[in-house]
Amino acid sequence: DADVTQTPRNRITKTGKRIMLECSQTKGHDRMYWYRQDPGLGLRLIYYSFDVKDINKGEISDGYSVSRQAQAKFSLSLESAIPNQTALYFCATSDGTAKNIQYFGAGTRLSVL
Amino acid sequence: AQTVTQSQPEMSVQEAETVTLSCTYDTSESDYYLFWYKQPPSRQMILVIRQEAYKQQNATENRFSVNFQKAAKSFSLKISDSQLGDAAMYFCAYRNAGGTSYGKLTFGQGTILTVHP
Repeated sequence: DADVTQTPRNRITKTGKRIMLECSQTKGHDRMYWYRQDPGLGLRLIYYSFDVKDINKGEISDGYSVSRQAQAKFSLSLESAIPNQTALYFCATSDGTAKNIQYFGAGTRLSVL
Repeated sequence: AQTVTQSQPEMSVQEAETVTLSCTYDTSESDYYLFWYKQPPSRQMILVIRQEAYKQQNATENRFSVNFQKAAKSFSLKISDSQLGDAAMYFCAYRNAGGTSYGKLTFGQGTILTVHP
């Protein structure tokens, strides 16, 4: 089983709909991240959380919200989806050590029509 | 803020040959980490290699090696004896070693590598 699991793998939705992307991990890491990937832009950080009570905005948080339900679960919500939120979304985790390597899920491809 | 630039949107190489992917970055920090991630068609992000800025020795992982030039803020990836399975999008990434942005990765735009048989 994957250490970092994202659901759904693919999703098509309509403008204005609320949608939640979920991420769970079995690595026991405290730190979790949400990124979006767009062609020609690489991955950009949306939100990150260093523990259950810690939530921080990344560089492109507008239009998104997150919830850290437990150490192992970190959800990303689009309250009212718009077409320019069509992208590939990644969840990642890391420990707090100096090595601090990030491990990624398989991504969720979201299309907003 | 840190920035990472990959100036080669696409590269190609013949199987068994060597290819170098370029990456430059901008930072005012002296202590940081640099990474190369591989993203095959499966979309999975796979860590290829990691370099600590305080280490002068270039990192190597089997057929993958880096040329880290700290003064020039350059971090290129060399793939030797290229294989068909190396075909993927490659991302260069930067992370501070401390401070308020500790733990966050800044990515480059990516380079698509095609391997010809």
